[in-house]
Amino acid sequence: QKEVEQDPGPLSVPEGAIVSLNCTYSNSAFQYFMWYRQYSRKGPELLMYTYSSGNKEDGRFTAQVDKSSKYISLFIRDSQPSDSATYLCAMSAWTGNQFYFGTGTSLTVIP
Amino acid sequence: NAGVTQTPKFQVLKTGQSMTLQCAQDMNHNSMYWYRQDPGMGLRLIYYSASEGTTDKGEVPNGYNVSRLNKREFSLRLESAAPSQTSVYFCASSGYETLGRETQYFGPGTRLLVL
Repeated sequence: QKEVEQDPGPLSVPEGAIVSLNCTYSNSAFQYFMWYRQYSRKGPELLMYTYSSGNKEDGRFTAQVDKSSKYISLFIRDSQPSDSATYLCAMSAWTGNQFYFGTGTSLTVIP
Repeated sequence: NAGVTQTPKFQVLKTGQSMTLQCAQDMNHNSMYWYRQDPGMGLRLIYYSASEGTTDKGEVPNGYNVSRLNKREFSLRLESAAPSQTSVYFCASSGYETLGRETQYFGPGTRLLVL
């Protein structure tokens, strides 16, 4: 079993929709959670990071962490065609230098 | 402030040839990483360097070597390229954010095709 599981999609939504992207993990040592956005033929770009359970909001993006269920989500409100990309979740333990990534979810927002 | 830079952007090799992928960061980060990204496999860690002078194997180190030349630079070498090493290679560095935990930043990637 992989340490981080992410539904690869693809996910296709109309412009303006609310998008929900999710990851589950198995290692209870993970305390630090990140979401990256990756446009085609580009490197991953850090979107948000959080280390606590609950919600963290940044503009149209909300990251949600439920440590009891080992489940994290990224919500995108009022989705735009420019949000079309692959979204990767990542996590790490509080100590150590390694980061563990999901395989990514491909999102297309249709105008 | 260029962040993480990688060279070359694209390379074609024949089986058995060698090459070195270069990476540099200007964020004064201690830790640097090499990943490969393949369809359906996500990002897989090849090697990482927690600080200047140290390197450690990741998930898929076979067929690769690394050198942490100084704090800024971390290179990845393929001694004898194989078609299975066809992939997109990303370098990353990580440093402490205000939360006190390291966060990774990625370079633009090197696309490698081994024939």
